[in-house]
Amino acid sequence: GAVVSQHPSRVICKSGTSVKIECRSLDFQATTMFWYRQFPKKSLMLMATSNEGSKATYEQGVEKDKFLINHASLTLSTLTVTSAHPEDSSFYICSAMKNSVTGELFFGEGSRLTVL
Amino acid sequence: GESVGLHLPTLSVQEGDNSIINCAYSNSASDYFIWYKQESGKGPQFIIDIRSNMDKRQGQRVTVLLNKTVKHLSLQIAATQPGDSAVYFCAENAGGTSYGKLTFGQGTILTVHP
Repeated sequence: GAVVSQHPSRVICKSGTSVKIECRSLDFQATTMFWYRQFPKKSLMLMATSNEGSKATYEQGVEKDKFLINHASLTLSTLTVTSAHPEDSSFYICSAMKNSVTGELFFGEGSRLTVL
Repeated sequence: GESVGLHLPTLSVQEGDNSIINCAYSNSASDYFIWYKQESGKGPQFIIDIRSNMDKRQGQRVTVLLNKTVKHLSLQIAATQPGDSAVYFCAENAGGTSYGKLTFGQGTILTVHP
């Protein structure tokens, strides 16, 4: 199957710093990618839809200034957690749409952020 | 949203048994449903999907049943193996302009004992 890669897989940072997480589709082009957040023992919650060449669409309650999303190419979307605080610690997962007709999606392996 | 402190449902089975994991979905407009397996510290792994014009679909050792009348989805795993131990999520997609945007269920922890 198709491969979606996230980097870094784990990151620890100090409060107040910003952290960038990358989501790459390695063997297909994805005009649309999605970012999810998952707390321990909880389900995945959609944060935003990342569209190549245009602004991301954020779900209700997600701060767009806190979670900056950039989809500058057909194979890369980035999520930047700005001025991170301990409550931003979470597992962030992206998915990339390989086929917009069928809705075929592939998920990355996730990035665990720990803010001290 | 989810209640604070709500624990995931759990299902414990013996190796070789059949497992049935259930899911209730909320959006009657959803037309595409997927089951995912998530192992600890990893992203969701696609298991099987079904569209709303079907009520049953079979894969290798897995079967998904869809009952649109009561908005219920189930995943049946035949001859469950220890490697099947994971958290299982159902996900729904409303299609249209929301294509690709998935709403995940709360998840079920499956534990398979040797």
